[in-house]
Amino acid sequence: GNSVTQMEGPVTLSEEAFLTINCTYTATGYPSLFWYVQYPGEGLQLLLKATKADDKGSNKGFEATYRKETTSFHLEKGSVQVSDSAVYFCALRDSGGYQKVTFGTGTKLQVIP
Amino acid sequence: NAGVTQTPKFQVLKTGQSMTLQCAQDMNHNSMYWYRQDPGMGLRLIYYSASEGTTDKGEVPNGYNVSRLNKREFSLRLESAAPSQTSVYFCASSEGVTGITGELFFGEGSRLTVL
Repeated sequence: GNSVTQMEGPVTLSEEAFLTINCTYTATGYPSLFWYVQYPGEGLQLLLKATKADDKGSNKGFEATYRKETTSFHLEKGSVQVSDSAVYFCALRDSGGYQKVTFGTGTKLQVIP
Repeated sequence: NAGVTQTPKFQVLKTGQSMTLQCAQDMNHNSMYWYRQDPGMGLRLIYYSASEGTTDKGEVPNGYNVSRLNKREFSLRLESAAPSQTSVYFCASSEGVTGITGELFFGEGSRLTVL
């Protein structure tokens, strides 16, 4: 079945540091890939997505590139802010009939001033 | 813009009690979902409803039942709560099984504790 593996957290960074959160996946066919963000006390919300190989999703200074050859979708941001502190989930939506969404375990990011 | 609304936000139950989590969306979405979130395990799908009138099991359906009351509402029922069901529950919706964006819209969550 499908699976998503993302790096263990928590990740603690100083403000303006560079962020990378690794995500790799296992799926058949051609899934769509997503990053969701969960701020404290809230539900998940979509951060960015990519629907085919070599697509780059971007939003709010975050970006991720769909790499089919390495089955990866790593999240990056050049300069993090305290307001980026949250839990980040990598997810895939398969291309089969139901198009089920599978989530990774989440990576908690804490940005300190 | 209410989006997805879940009630209650917090609930404490004793083992064996029953309860229903309510969910409603105002985006005219066809598909609705119930997930549970546990530390170190991400989100796991309990049940989903691809469209009004249909429901199907997800990864962890045991101990739960669902009802798609109409297009807007999708409830999750625990008939006899167990401590293993202590979790944060999220309802979500999407435009459809074959929706173009594939984006899920989530409620704020319901924190359930079973003693």
